[in-house]
Amino acid sequence: DAGITQSPRHKVTETGTPVTLRCHQTENHRYMYWYRQDPGHGLRLIHYSYGVKDTDKGEVSDGYSVSRSKTEDFLLTLESATSSQTSVYFCASLRTARGELFFGEGSRLTVL
Amino acid sequence: AQTVTQSQPEMSVQEAETVTLSCTYDTSESDYYLFWYKQPPSRQMILVIRQEAYKQQNATENRFSVNFQKAAKSFSLKISDSQLGDAAMYFCAYRSPQETSGSRLTFGEGTQLTVNP
Repeated sequence: DAGITQSPRHKVTETGTPVTLRCHQTENHRYMYWYRQDPGHGLRLIHYSYGVKDTDKGEVSDGYSVSRSKTEDFLLTLESATSSQTSVYFCASLRTARGELFFGEGSRLTVL
Repeated sequence: AQTVTQSQPEMSVQEAETVTLSCTYDTSESDYYLFWYKQPPSRQMILVIRQEAYKQQNATENRFSVNFQKAAKSFSLKISDSQLGDAAMYFCAYRSPQETSGSRLTFGEGTQLTVNP
């Protein structure tokens, strides 16, 4: 499986504070993704990247930004966290040959 | 935009029996990929099975098989000889081959499977 790790795994923060979640992959995959998981909604795409410095919005991108300065790292930033952003966040990368996504372990974020 | 619907929020099955999880999707594309992912309590997302739309043969992986009905846009997952370790949330997902969409996966809402001993 692809080596893909997320940090932090758990975070509690207060409304209005900035938060950055980090995703690191060791497989040299071109495509990377950030999803959020909420009950009743499955996984929804926040942003994705198709190469270094190449990113685009997903279906729930409001309030989030991303950056990808190196192939292996994909950062998700909440500029000013809100309670509606309490969720579990998953990073994933695409194994192009088989078209499947490999996921990190998830990061649980609680915004008080 | 593609949508994926899982109409069964919860399902249960007796150990050693068979259960089928339903998934329907909406797309105007003729070529695409479909997946079932499993999420146990550990939260890790695990690929169970994949199907390429151009292949008529249904995919099979050990006790897991799919019933892919392209015309009906249906992609159900059958788990045979259910085991306690199969208890998890199962997600159906669709992927377009088009790189213009970032090769993203679109997920259904999930079906929580309980396996009773």
